[in-house]
Amino acid sequence: DTAVSQTPKYLVTQMGNDKSIKCEQNLGHDTMYWYKQDSKKFLKIMFSYNNKELIINETVPNRFSPKSPDKAHLNLHINSLELGDSAVYFCASSPKGLASDTQYFGPGTRLTVL
Amino acid sequence: DAKTTQPTSMDCAEGRAANLPCNHSTISGNEYVYWYRQIHSQGPQYIIHGLKNNETNEMASLIITEDRKSSTLILPHATLRDTAVYYCIVRPSRGSGAGSYQLTFGKGTKLSVIP
Repeated sequence: DTAVSQTPKYLVTQMGNDKSIKCEQNLGHDTMYWYKQDSKKFLKIMFSYNNKELIINETVPNRFSPKSPDKAHLNLHINSLELGDSAVYFCASSPKGLASDTQYFGPGTRLTVL
Repeated sequence: DAKTTQPTSMDCAEGRAANLPCNHSTISGNEYVYWYRQIHSQGPQYIIHGLKNNETNEMASLIITEDRKSSTLILPHATLRDTAVYYCIVRPSRGSGAGSYQLTFGKGTKLSVIP
């Protein structure tokens, strides 16, 4: 059973396109996150959602928007893709969004912008 | 900014214990020490966390010094599948603002388990 899943695993697209990455968790967790891992392998938080409310939003371009249709899903929409958006994007979830919660990560989506 | 310092890389012979150090000299009283690892091309995986006392689970042991300024993650019998980047992360134990929810990853230690 996959706890946190992401689709697609690989995404290759042209500059200027709009794309979405989907994330689903079957753990019954209240909070979900998106992280970005760049070419230098640094992992940085982008967003988190708790009960459909955005609770943190790091300094990412507004071309990126998280959307949560229900508690089990947090999708990442990216408009007007740029070369610098190429990275691996990880979705994660945690039980209550508490500072002490353990986060569980998905397998990642490798986005390549040409 | 990461609040921890770890060696860039380490080697360990297969079957031996791997001891990964972490310095967190500015840790405050309400902050946990968390360890995650990232195996190549996979998402980060939770290993263990602790506040003051030493902790042990099925994956590893965590030894925290009495002054809490450093800790050591111990993999008792390293296998080739333990080859990964290991991240030591300091997090508050109670939520207090948006920053308390996030995991702040540093550069980690690249552990290579050698046959």
